[in-house]
Amino acid sequence: KAGVTQTPRYLIKTRGQQVTLSCSPISGHRSVSWYQQTPGQGLQFLFEYFSETQRNKGNFPGRFSGRQFSNSRSEMNVSTLELGDSALYLCASSTANEQFFGPGTRLTVL
Amino acid sequence: GEDVEQSLFLSVREGDSSVINCTYTDSSSTYLYWYKQEPGAGLQLLTYIFSNMDMKQDQRLTVLLNKKDKHLSLRIADTQTGDSAIYFCAESTFRGKNTDKLIFGTGTRLQVFP
Repeated sequence: KAGVTQTPRYLIKTRGQQVTLSCSPISGHRSVSWYQQTPGQGLQFLFEYFSETQRNKGNFPGRFSGRQFSNSRSEMNVSTLELGDSALYLCASSTANEQFFGPGTRLTVL
Repeated sequence: GEDVEQSLFLSVREGDSSVINCTYTDSSSTYLYWYKQEPGAGLQLLTYIFSNMDMKQDQRLTVLLNKKDKHLSLRIADTQTGDSAIYFCAESTFRGKNTDKLIFGTGTRLQVFP
């Protein structure tokens, strides 16, 4: 089976812009979670989607949003980018008790 | 609240055993995980243990869980240079039919020298 794929792998944006990141889960996995990884805050949970519904949400401002499509693919969107949004954004797809991560999208905000 | 702590660095000689430690605070944790992250890469699931187990062995990896002390360890036998990476401990609770979000530790950077 193919693993979790994320596109794009690298992205450079400027403050105030918005960005959309994409994640394709492992075939058959219906749950997709997003995490932000920064040197200062470490790995932090953003949100989780299951069957097109947001099932759980972390402590991030409303500028961070996501959605899931009927084929389980997920996107996350960050609007009005700030310098502090520079991070590695990781997507994970899961079965009942295992979460498998993609390679991440490295976002740099200038 | 939920908190997971790890020491930041560990340096070992090639061929020795490595032991990476982790403590967590959430007594309702159901699953505890170890992930490996190499430079520029995502997280690789190494192994996990259910909270009603004390030990799990998988080839060179041994996980020990002391639920009373909320202490988890990962032992890597015969450590190789390819094991150099950051290792993250994570905990989760079981909710409905799936596990809840993962709460990660700060990560332990393992350096293996010849």
